[in-house]
Amino acid sequence: DAGITQSPRHKVTETGTPVTLRCHQTENHRYMYWYRQDPGHGLRLIHYSYGVKDTDKGEVSDGYSVSRSKTEDFLLTLESATSSQTSVYFCAISAGVNYGYTFGSGTRLTVV
Amino acid sequence: QQQVKQSPQSLIVQKGGISIINCAYENTAFDYFPWYQQFPGKGPALLIAIRPDVSEKKEGRFTISFNKSAKQFSLHIMDSQPGDSATYFCAARTGGTSYGKLTFGQGTILTVHP
Repeated sequence: DAGITQSPRHKVTETGTPVTLRCHQTENHRYMYWYRQDPGHGLRLIHYSYGVKDTDKGEVSDGYSVSRSKTEDFLLTLESATSSQTSVYFCAISAGVNYGYTFGSGTRLTVV
Repeated sequence: QQQVKQSPQSLIVQKGGISIINCAYENTAFDYFPWYQQFPGKGPALLIAIRPDVSEKKEGRFTISFNKSAKQFSLHIMDSQPGDSATYFCAARTGGTSYGKLTFGQGTILTVHP
């Protein structure tokens, strides 16, 4: 998707290991979001950022942390991966509170 | 707590038919209601959106109908095509200091048969 890149696209990791997913944008947008997508649950907000070093929790933040040291990068870390964190993770960006989201292509994470 | 409830979970329509997906919300502070379309292996993409001061918005074959008193809104896809086969999500956003956060419905998998 134009202006937003997620890496890696796929990852398999073992239970108990730390994992970091990266979201990179070239749009200079202020707002960035991490969602997870699971069947039957739609998209659920994990964490979001409203500026460099300004982050807050979403509805399913337990077991996750985030960091945003630069406008363009928003990192999602699973401190100690569990099987319940197997999911597809999407990053989204927005120019402002009155604008829609642009989503990345997602990261499929499997915790074994 | 699911603040936006979407139905049906899946929908099969014949080419040329009308696809209808419904959403209901609880939070009266929501002030923006977008619909997203997602193809396999891709991220969701904004399809159409409406604000609660209008009852209907149409863009090509896609129409949002909004009923503020019932706290419901729906997506209608006219003349459905096989290329419309995708997952559709409704969403809602709280105004004010919500930092633009969207709450999504559970999603509807639409299949349009040729």
